[in-house]
Amino acid sequence: DAGVTQSPTHLIKTRGQQVTLRCSPKSGHDTVSWYQQALGQGPQFIFQYYEEEERQRGNFPDRFSGHQFPNYSSELNVNALLLGDSALYLCASSLDRVSGYTFGSGTRLTVV
Amino acid sequence: AQSVTQLDSHVSVSEGTPVLLRCNYSSSYSPSLFWYVQHPNKGLQLLLKYTSAATLVKGINGFEAEFKKSETSFHLTKPSAHMSDAAEYFCVVSDLSTDKLIFGTGTRLQVFP
Repeated sequence: DAGVTQSPTHLIKTRGQQVTLRCSPKSGHDTVSWYQQALGQGPQFIFQYYEEEERQRGNFPDRFSGHQFPNYSSELNVNALLLGDSALYLCASSLDRVSGYTFGSGTRLTVV
Repeated sequence: AQSVTQLDSHVSVSEGTPVLLRCNYSSSYSPSLFWYVQHPNKGLQLLLKYTSAATLVKGINGFEAEFKKSETSFHLTKPSAHMSDAAEYFCVVSDLSTDKLIFGTGTRLQVFP
């Protein structure tokens, strides 16, 4: 049973560009959350998707947007990239609050 | 608002000696608490979780944690460290109103031979 799959694993972009990161949740999980982990920091909550709608959002600007598809997979889009957007982006899926979250290995985004 | 504080940014132990990683939490109601481990260039792996059942929680790889409401603590322990335990450890609280995870700043565990 595959866990959470994220693609790509690494990405280098130029300031001002746009990027799309992808996540396939663990089988049976219907909720997907995205986190940003800057170097040396703990992950920070970006937003959460459930039933194809954004259910919760953290303190991130509107340049960060997302989408969830009917098969529960999800995308994270970041527009007008800044150097400060360089980070490890983690996707986590869950079935309910009690069982906890399963994390993917992340996408390492470097903005130059 | 809920939060967690990891009291040590770095912990160093010798292989075979006990491990103690400290975490205090702040919550206005009974929290769900987790410990995650992150090995270099890897994602996060769930070690254990507390969800208001038994206060002593056993996790994977010999780790366990005890929920102490009177001390608002959820410290992670292991009787005997192994070289493969070297990693970053995160104490996490789940915000039940929003369902998001709130991470501590992490504790880097080093294990010396």
